[in-house]
Amino acid sequence: SVLTQPPSVSGAPGQRVTISCTGSSSNIGSGYDVHWYQQLPGTAPKFLVYGNTNRPSGVPDRFSGSRSGTSASLVITGLQAEDEADYYCQSFDSSLSGYVFGSGTKVTVL
Amino acid sequence: EVQLVESGGGLVKPGGSLRLSCAASGFMLSRFSMNWVRQAPGEGLEWVSTITHTGGYINYADSVKGRFTISRDIANNSLYLQMDSLRAEDTAIYYCTRDIGTRDDSWGQGTLVTVSS
Repeated sequence: SVLTQPPSVSGAPGQRVTISCTGSSSNIGSGYDVHWYQQLPGTAPKFLVYGNTNRPSGVPDRFSGSRSGTSASLVITGLQAEDEADYYCQSFDSSLSGYVFGSGTKVTVL
Repeated sequence: EVQLVESGGGLVKPGGSLRLSCAASGFMLSRFSMNWVRQAPGEGLEWVSTITHTGGYINYADSVKGRFTISRDIANNSLYLQMDSLRAEDTAIYYCTRDIGTRDDSWGQGTLVTVSS
């Protein structure tokens, strides 16, 4: 994948976890926005964060995003059992002239 | 309510063709860019193709360029993906999506395409 994420992160209920998304000068580093999706097993991805920091209606404020340089992060505070899922970052790449996704991170709630 | 319903997936032999459909409701296709995104079994998400709201710009991932064709029928409010010269590596769930990365982002439930002899 063009955008690199850690394969897995874990935390106990109530804890805070951070998922990184590392890109390059042709995508995140060029100023293209980063968006985040949550995918529960066997379901379609759900839109979680758009435009680096914004949450669609209905997404809890436990989820927050940020972008800096060639990277972005998704932070989940107050981790809950229902947050156990795969998370993907997404941006645009000027070299490919297309959308790119991160490799995905599995969040496990201990 | 915005709804995207994909259909047309199934089992096809290598080298064969398949046409996926995405029926949109709750909004007009002519007002939004639309995309196809796929996910191979156990793998991550891969963008496949985009058509802008005017239909004036179309793009494809290098992995499908020259083999897949995206189109739409405004009258029927439907999006299509014609897939030719299919390969085993095209096996995936194909999702129809609206305006990726905007507040109007929306996804269908997906349709499974299996390429196998």
